[in-house]
Amino acid sequence: QEQLVQSGAEVKKPGASVKVSCKASGYTFTNYYMHWVRQAPGQGLEWMGVINPTGGSTRSAQKFQGRFIMTGDTSTSTVYMEMSSLTSEDTAMYFCARGHCDGDCYFWAAWYFDLWGPGTLVTVSS
Amino acid sequence: QSVLTQTPSASGTPGQRVTISCSGSSSNTGRNYGYWYQQLPGTAPKLLIYKNNQRPSGVPDRFSGSKSGTSVSLAISGLRSEDEADYYCAAWDDNLSAWVFGGGTRLTVL
Repeated sequence: QEQLVQSGAEVKKPGASVKVSCKASGYTFTNYYMHWVRQAPGQGLEWMGVINPTGGSTRSAQKFQGRFIMTGDTSTSTVYMEMSSLTSEDTAMYFCARGHCDGDCYFWAAWYFDLWGPGTLVTVSS
Repeated sequence: QSVLTQTPSASGTPGQRVTISCSGSSSNTGRNYGYWYQQLPGTAPKLLIYKNNQRPSGVPDRFSGSKSGTSVSLAISGLRSEDEADYYCAAWDDNLSAWVFGGGTRLTVL
């Protein structure tokens, strides 16, 4: 069945970097994009960015630009997100979510989230 | 402060119909499609409604979506205890060039 499997929980110190993986299975990896969405404890959802794993093009939210990188590996159907200069405010559950398009797929707006990974808890603490 | 505005909480009794609203602007829900996600406690979100009013396969027809102006709404009929969850709306925002979410509505089944 279609699923996304994410890497395990991470504990990092302030100022460190973290890399989280998201491995897809059960569908044609190159037909979809991949988003990253995070959720701080007790808070709502926050979109971070999206990657086209085939071409490598990305679009990220302005607040994360400069310290947030997304990469993809089509040979293993895996996408990665790496975030640097972590602070306590980055403590959150990080979800990957498949981007699906069934219309005019030229625009980022067309790629909505249709399948979610279970999440990876990243804790930033000294 | 979320770009899309949802009331923080809603409630209903079993069998009742409840509606959850999401208010946006011309740059997001007014011009682009709205989406709804259900997040059960301790789990990842799940797609409920896409493109304003379309249901993915497997989602019961008790769930329906609509759009009016710059607002999108989610209606749940025949409320069940298992519907108790957080519900989020989402849309692409042309001004921000980003996906934006509502702050979420916690639905309680009394």
